[in-house]
Amino acid sequence: DAGVIQSPRHEVTEMGQEVTLRCKPISGHDYLFWYRQTMMRGLELLIYFNNNVPIDDSGMPEDRFSAKMPNASFSTLKIQPSEPRDSAVYFCASSFIGGGSSTEAFFGQGTRLTVV
Amino acid sequence: LAKTTQPISMDSYEGQEVNITCSHNNIATNDYITWYQQFPSQGPRFIIQGYKTKVTNEVASLFIPADRKSSTLSLPRVSLSDTAVYYCLVGVPYTGTASKLTFGTGTRLQVTL
Repeated sequence: DAGVIQSPRHEVTEMGQEVTLRCKPISGHDYLFWYRQTMMRGLELLIYFNNNVPIDDSGMPEDRFSAKMPNASFSTLKIQPSEPRDSAVYFCASSFIGGGSSTEAFFGQGTRLTVV
Repeated sequence: LAKTTQPISMDSYEGQEVNITCSHNNIATNDYITWYQQFPSQGPRFIIQGYKTKVTNEVASLFIPADRKSSTLSLPRVSLSDTAVYYCLVGVPYTGTASKLTFGTGTRLQVTL
C-alpha cells in the first residue's frame, strides 16, 4: 500500500478563498483523523471519523472549517473562507483496529497551507 | 484524557543511549501509552506502545513502572538520523471520545557527533 496520500502537498491561496484538502486513507482502515500543526499550537486534532461517520469534531476551530468522508477511501477538509491564521501543515492519518488494542495511526506527508 | 508532560528538548551524542521520560499522573486503568516520532516536514510515525512493564521492538524499548504514572522511551545507540521530535500519548484505543490521539508538545531530541 502507498500509505496515506494527501493532496496537494503545498497550497498557497489568498485570504477569503476556499481551500480544499484531500486525503486517501490506507485501504481497509476504519478510522481517519485530520490534524493541524503549527509552531505555536503543535499538533491539534481537528476531527476524526469511524467507518466514514464523524465521531468527534470538537477540535474544528470555527464554522469556516468542514470535513467530509463520502466513502471509505476519500476525505476532504474544507476551509471557507480562508484566513492567514489558517496557515499550517494539515495532516491526515488513518488506522485500523479490527479487535486489536493498538492505536497505531499512519500519517500522510501533510499539506502545507499558506494563506496570504 | 490523561495529560502528559515531557522535557521540551534533549541533546545526545551519537552512539549513546537516550531515555525520554513522560509523566502521566492521571492515567486511567484502561489507558495505553504510545510513542510517536516526527521528522521535519513529515507526519508522525508510530514507534512503540505498551500497557505495563516493558515492551521492546526493533527500534526502541518502553519501560512502564507498576504505578504507570510515568513511562520511559529508551533509544539504544542513537544516530544522527534519530534527531526528531518524540511524542508520548496516553489513551484508550478507540472507544468513543477517548479514541482520539492527542499529542502533547513532544521532546525535541538533537543528536550530534
